[in-house]
Amino acid sequence: NAGVTQTPKFQVLKTGQSMTLQCAQDMNHNSMYWYRQDPGMGLRLIYYSASEGTTDKGEVPNGYNVSRLNKREFSLRLESAAPSQTSVYFCASTPGTGRQETQYFGPGTRLLVL
Amino acid sequence: AQSVTQLDSHVSVSEGTPVLLRCNYSSSYSPSLFWYVQHPNKGLQLLLKYTSAATLVKGINGFEAEFKKSETSFHLTKPSAHMSDAAEYFCVVSSGGFQKLVFGTGTRLLVSP
Repeated sequence: NAGVTQTPKFQVLKTGQSMTLQCAQDMNHNSMYWYRQDPGMGLRLIYYSASEGTTDKGEVPNGYNVSRLNKREFSLRLESAAPSQTSVYFCASTPGTGRQETQYFGPGTRLLVL
Repeated sequence: AQSVTQLDSHVSVSEGTPVLLRCNYSSSYSPSLFWYVQHPNKGLQLLLKYTSAATLVKGINGFEAEFKKSETSFHLTKPSAHMSDAAEYFCVVSSGGFQKLVFGTGTRLLVSP
């Protein structure tokens, strides 16, 4: 039982390049989330998917798109990377959307945009 | 609207001494409150959570936190620090009807021998 996995672990992009961050969970959770973590700012929600087939914007969605491919997988796409998107990206999942549920996090993807 | 303020960006303790990490929250609704820990280059892991069942919450690795509504606080404590406790700790609030978390800015705990 791997929990939440993310690929790649580390990526360097040039400004304007595109890439997709992959996330998968094997806990049969319904809800999945993408966050970015920047120094001194905690984690901020980019997009989330309450259930398979639905996605919604979080606090900082500009410059990103997401796809909930199936119940297991939730990908984050940067269409035209900018230096401001240099960050650590975390994927998380929960069984449902209740506010008391525990979020399970992946190990993160470190992205550097030059 | 909901928010979380972690009052210290860094806390330094010696091994074997008590730990206190402070957190104040603001919420329009009865909140759920969490403490998550992040070890270097790792994802976040739940330490404990308050969900209105009991005001004193016990978590993993000897940590506990007390919900004080009158003070809007949810401070994290541990009686005796261990070297392995060195990490970043996040206080998190969730309120309303949906699992949308608001994270504090984090407190880095340094433990010296």
